[in-house]
Amino acid sequence: DTEVTQTPKHLVMGMTNKKSLKCEQHMGHRAMYWYKQKAKKPPELMFVYSYEKLSINESVPSRFSPECPNSSLLNLHLHALQPEDSALYLCASSQAEKSSYNEQFFGPGTRLTVL
Amino acid sequence: GQNIDQPTEMTATEGAIVQINCTYQTSGFNGLFWYQQHAGEAPTFLSYNVLDGLEEKGRFSSFLSRSKGYSYLLLKELQMKDSASYLCAVDQGYSTLTFGKGTMLLVSP
Repeated sequence: DTEVTQTPKHLVMGMTNKKSLKCEQHMGHRAMYWYKQKAKKPPELMFVYSYEKLSINESVPSRFSPECPNSSLLNLHLHALQPEDSALYLCASSQAEKSSYNEQFFGPGTRLTVL
Repeated sequence: GQNIDQPTEMTATEGAIVQINCTYQTSGFNGLFWYQQHAGEAPTFLSYNVLDGLEEKGRFSSFLSRSKGYSYLLLKELQMKDSASYLCAVDQGYSTLTFGKGTMLLVSP
């Protein structure tokens, strides 16, 4: 299994809603990532989990809350988002944080629209 | 600071060869990746270079010169389906990839 899966594919939410994005991989990867991508821009790193511990938070607002329940799962909890948070949210995984070969495998993304 | 430069847009004809350049200045270097991304889809891995030289993989080749902070992606026998954004990304050795802004390649008949 060389796939990263993400659910849902599309999400529309109001600014007062609470929702969660889910990501799953079964490749035995120990590093997992959340990226935000706006149209015609490159992915921007949000969070990195290494061995189920948060290792990097790129100054992301607290209305985004990541969670790594186990080595295969990564969640992103959303609360009180703003319309400018509308974007494609990508999850990725790689073998290990400090390995010499750090190819990241990306999931298909969740297209989020905040109304 | 971190800086990764690539052209914003390129056009080419079906069957032709195109070279997409990437120059980088980063505080660390543990390899350089090229990803392909079709609109609305996830990036998919194309190539990885950590040593100087050319890596060939079918119609796609990637070159790296660490001393010059330079890489290119070479696409041969272009097909319409190669129309996509091509992202150059540097692994700085502390778990993160720093992406360039991407090059939108348009392949015409």
